[in-house]
Amino acid sequence: DQQVKQNSPSLSVQEGRISILNCDYTNSMFDYFLWYKKYPAEGPTFLISISSIKDKNEDGRFTVFLNKSAKHLSLHIVPSQPGDSAVYFCAASFQTGANNLFFGTGTRLTVIP
Amino acid sequence: ETGVTQTPRHLVMGMTNKKSLKCEQHLGHNAMYWYKQSAKKPLELMFVYSLEERVENNSVPSRFSPECPNSSHLFLHLHTLQPEDSALYLCASSQGAGVYNEQFFGPGTRLTVL
Repeated sequence: DQQVKQNSPSLSVQEGRISILNCDYTNSMFDYFLWYKKYPAEGPTFLISISSIKDKNEDGRFTVFLNKSAKHLSLHIVPSQPGDSAVYFCAASFQTGANNLFFGTGTRLTVIP
Repeated sequence: ETGVTQTPRHLVMGMTNKKSLKCEQHLGHNAMYWYKQSAKKPLELMFVYSLEERVENNSVPSRFSPECPNSSHLFLHLHTLQPEDSALYLCASSQGAGVYNEQFFGPGTRLTVL
């Protein structure tokens, strides 16, 4: 049973507008969350993370929001750029123990120039 | 070479073949991972090695056999695979095996089992 879900397989956004990618999880014991970005023929690369003690983390154009009560997190990209077009994976983990990441299936973002 | 490299990038094998996937990291890391991504499914962790010792094995069938001869190299030996094992196999490495240690991924090996 999938513990991390990304229900939107794809998203298209105009350049300069906001992209919002969503992720839901089922295991309330997860306490660390990450977003990875993947270009074709490349491996995923780490983008941004958030610990469960926070509800927001920002890094330049990227902001991750965490709503623990709803078991939901989102990634906001503002402003969106054509180079942001990629597949975005949400992942969740536990802060103790081995580095076992539980991934979602990904959302393909297309930023239209 | 930089980062994490994987060879071969594509592999087609029959169910009776034996093959190996190779991963090499050029980052000085001491933890390495194998992941599997089947079509329309999320990445699933298969194995974790820390300081060349296996620390995690997520109930992977014995037809997949990992080997970590040193901290820079990781192999996945394959034998008697099934068509449902066709997937993208990704290797990753990190400096330390804790969750705060960012994982760096290779580009993957696309495996097709006939």
